[in-house]
Amino acid sequence: RKEVEQDPGPFNVPEGATVAFNCTYSNSASQSFFWYRQDCRKEPKLLMSVYSSGNEDGRFTAQLNRASQYISLLIRDSKLSDSATYLCVVILRFQKLVFGTGTRLLVSP
Amino acid sequence: DAGITQSPRYKITETGRQVTLMCHQTWSHSYMFWYRQDLGHGLRLIYYSAAADITDKGEVPDGYVVSRSKTENFPLTLESATRSQTSVYFCASSVSSSNQPQHFGDGTRLSIL
Repeated sequence: RKEVEQDPGPFNVPEGATVAFNCTYSNSASQSFFWYRQDCRKEPKLLMSVYSSGNEDGRFTAQLNRASQYISLLIRDSKLSDSATYLCVVILRFQKLVFGTGTRLLVSP
Repeated sequence: DAGITQSPRYKITETGRQVTLMCHQTWSHSYMFWYRQDLGHGLRLIYYSAAADITDKGEVPDGYVVSRSKTENFPLTLESATRSQTSVYFCASSVSSSNQPQHFGDGTRLSIL
């Protein structure tokens, strides 16, 4: 079983839609969680951290479910510019990040 | 504000050649990392460094060598390049805390013929 698993997609949604991605992790001792965004094989860029109580940044909401070992990302009011690959990242131990393979999102007009 | 820069951006070389990918950061971050990204595998950690003169292996270190004589530089060397090392290589850095995210360079696209 992979340490971090994501549905590769693509998720095709119209502008204005709400879309959610999940990411599961296998190690219950995982310490920290992040969502990164990657455009067309460019460098990954931090989108947001994921906190235990859940957190929101504008149209983006991230949640953590430790009991079921998954994190989620919700995007409201999707924009064309949201089209990208979203990487789930888990820190298993001190500074060892494990990346999911990413979920591709395509937002259409 | 240069942040983290990688060079070269693109490199084509032949099997058996030695090639060095450079990474430089201006944030004075303690931690630096090298990843490779291949279709179907996501990002995989090659080596990382907690500080100058401290390096450690990641998930896929075979065929690679790193050094960290200065905090700001973290070069990655392929001592004898193989076709399987054709990939996109990303360098990243972060502050010392284990809860801090990493910041990535633009990447080096390496093709080995």
